[in-house]
Amino acid sequence: KAGVTQTPRYLIKTRGQQVTLSCSPISGHRSVSWYQQTPGQGLQFLFEYFSETQRNKGNFPGRFSGRQFSNSRSEMNVSTLELGDSALYLCASSPSPASGFNEQFFGPGTRLTVL
Amino acid sequence: AQSVTQLDSQVPVFEEAPVELRCNYSSSVSVYLFWYVQYPNQGLQLLLKYLSGSTLVKGINGFEAEFNKSQTSFHLRKPSVHISDTAEYFCAVSEDDYKLSFGAGTTVTVRA
Repeated sequence: KAGVTQTPRYLIKTRGQQVTLSCSPISGHRSVSWYQQTPGQGLQFLFEYFSETQRNKGNFPGRFSGRQFSNSRSEMNVSTLELGDSALYLCASSPSPASGFNEQFFGPGTRLTVL
Repeated sequence: AQSVTQLDSQVPVFEEAPVELRCNYSSSVSVYLFWYVQYPNQGLQLLLKYLSGSTLVKGINGFEAEFNKSQTSFHLRKPSVHISDTAEYFCAVSEDDYKLSFGAGTTVTVRA
C-alpha cells in the first residue's frame, strides 16, 4: 500500500502570495489531519477533515484553510503569506474513526519557505 | 486541554550505550500516548503507542516505553543505541483519534 503523499515537497513563495498544498492519504483512509512544524513553535495541529467536513481546528488565523474531496484527498491553503508561515507542513491520514483509536500515518511533508 | 513536556532538548549518547528520553504530560481525561521519530527531511514515524492495558509498551527498532499514570509520564528507552538512531524524537498525546499534541522534541545524537 502506498503511503501518504504530499505535493509539492518544496515550495518558495514571497510575502503576500497564497499557496495550496496537497495531501493524498493512504488508500481507504478517510481522515486527514494537517500539522505545522516550525523550530520556534514545534508541531502544531492545524485542522482535521473527515468525509469532506472539517471536524476540528487548531488555533490558527483564518488565512489557513483547507478542504477535503470525495476521494479523501485534502488540500490546505494559506493566503497572504507571512514570513512566519515558513514551516514544514505535515499531513497525516487515518482510517475511519468509527470506533476506538486509529493511528495516524504521516507523509514526508511540504517545506514552505516564504521570502 | 492536554500538554506535553519533553524534559531534554538534546541527548548526546555513545553508540551501544542506553538512552532514556523523558516525557511528562498533563490532561484532565484519559489519553493515548505516543512516541514518534523524525529523521532529517522526513515525516514522522510511529515508534510505539500506549492505548490501554500493559503499562510497558514495546515498539519498533528495540525501543520501549513505560506509562506511569501516577507520575503522568511516558519515558522512552532503548538499551543499546546505534548510529542510525540519531534523529529527533517526539512524545505526543491525544484525547481522541484525530488530534495529536506534541512535545517540543528531543534531539538524540549518537556518537561512535
